[in-house]
Amino acid sequence: EADIYQTPRYLVIGTGKKITLECSQTMGHDKMYWYQQDPGMELHLIHYSYGVNSTEKGDLSSESTVSRIRTEHFPLTLESARPSHTSQYLCASSEFAGQGINTEAFFGQGTRLTVV
Amino acid sequence: TQLLEQSPQFLSIQEGENLTVYCNSSSVFSSLQWYRQEPGEGPVLLVTVVTGGEVKKLKRLTFQFGDARKDSSLHITAAQPGDTGLYLCAGAPGSARQLTFGSGTQLTVLP
Repeated sequence: EADIYQTPRYLVIGTGKKITLECSQTMGHDKMYWYQQDPGMELHLIHYSYGVNSTEKGDLSSESTVSRIRTEHFPLTLESARPSHTSQYLCASSEFAGQGINTEAFFGQGTRLTVV
Repeated sequence: TQLLEQSPQFLSIQEGENLTVYCNSSSVFSSLQWYRQEPGEGPVLLVTVVTGGEVKKLKRLTFQFGDARKDSSLHITAAQPGDTGLYLCAGAPGSARQLTFGSGTQLTVLP
C-alpha cells in the first residue's frame, strides 16, 4: 500500500479564495508530481519536483504554485480560486533511478475541488 | 499535441470478450508503463516495459512494447467486469525527466 496522502479529500470553496492542497509521502521519494484530471479523462501534469528546492512547471498552464521545502511535503497553492479550477488534483511520488528511467509512481487518492 | 495517444478512447464490451488498447507516440521512450485507475482513486501501476519488442504477461493481461520503443499495446483476454476502469500508458521521452500520461482508455465490461 502506497504511503502518500492528500488532504482534503473534498473541498468546496468560493471564487477568489486562496487554498492549499496538501500532499505528503513517507517513502523518501525524491520525485513528486501534481496532476489535474477531470473525471475519466487524461492526467495533465501541472508541477513536478526532483528534490528539495527544485520545482518546475508541467505541460498544463496553471495559475497554481508549489513548494518543496522538505522531501516528504509538496503542497499546491491556488492564490485566487476560480470556477475553471474545478477538477480533481492528484499527487504522486516516485524514486529517482537515473535519467530516463521510470520507476513506479505512487498516487494519493486525490482532492476533488469545486469552486462556486 | 498529445505526446502519448491512446486508442480507443472509450470501449464497452461484454464479459468474456477479448480487447486490445493501443498507446502510440512519435517519440522514443526508454520505458513505458501501464496504469489502471478506478473511480475515486489514483492510478495504480500494472507493468513497466523496458526492452523493444518485449512482451509481459500478467494473468489475462498481455503487454507489448514496440520494436522501435515508440508504442505499446495492452491485450485483455476473456474480460471480466472487474477489469472495468481507466487504462493509462505513461513514460518520459528521451532525456525528459517528467512522467507524462497518455490520453487514456475508459473500459467498461458488462456482465
